[in-house]
Amino acid sequence: KQEVTQIPAALSVPEGENLVLNCSFTDSAIYNLQWFRQDPGKGLTSLLLIQSSQREQTSGRLNASLDKSSGRSTLYIAASQPGDSATYLCAVVTGANSKLTFGKGITLSVRP
Amino acid sequence: DAGVIQSPRHEVTEMGQEVTLRCKPISGHDYLFWYRQTMMRGLELLIYFNNNVPIDDSGMPEDRFSAKMPNASFSTLKIQPSEPRDSAVYFCASSWSGGRRYEQYFGPGTRLTVT
Repeated sequence: KQEVTQIPAALSVPEGENLVLNCSFTDSAIYNLQWFRQDPGKGLTSLLLIQSSQREQTSGRLNASLDKSSGRSTLYIAASQPGDSATYLCAVVTGANSKLTFGKGITLSVRP
Repeated sequence: DAGVIQSPRHEVTEMGQEVTLRCKPISGHDYLFWYRQTMMRGLELLIYFNNNVPIDDSGMPEDRFSAKMPNASFSTLKIQPSEPRDSAVYFCASSWSGGRRYEQYFGPGTRLTVT
């Protein structure tokens, strides 16, 4: 059974800092990995999707990397801003069945 | 496209009442998912459909929960009878298998409170 872990559960950083959010998964036979953002009381917004054949994806100040063999992904946020404060969730599809398994998320607070 | 649409956004009901949550997926998407989010358990997949057919309902907690997808543009999740422990945020998501990306797009959720 696939398990996705995100540690730490919460993170507080000063504005402008570059930061890395970690995600690990137990079954390396993934189809793809998605990073989501969730603002308080809101739904999930897809940030980046990495196919199993890819190593990384970039969107603006965000860069996500994937190392299938070690069961790890990282989300890099450059020059963090207070508007980046949210919960970031990692999720994987294991096998071509389209089912997502989520981590518990990392709640990020960027201090002005 | 308007994205995934869910209704109602908030629902407060008394224990024992029937609750129906509704979802309209993104047009053209062939997968639809129902999730539940709580502080204790995080996001859990309840059931998903492919081309309107239920594929995996192993996440449905009890027989009190049922889901239908009568056509490609509409799905319901019903709880009957509801209990306080069903209080959670229920999300609907959809994806398209074309291009083999299976990227999921989420609705805004329905916050259910059962008193």
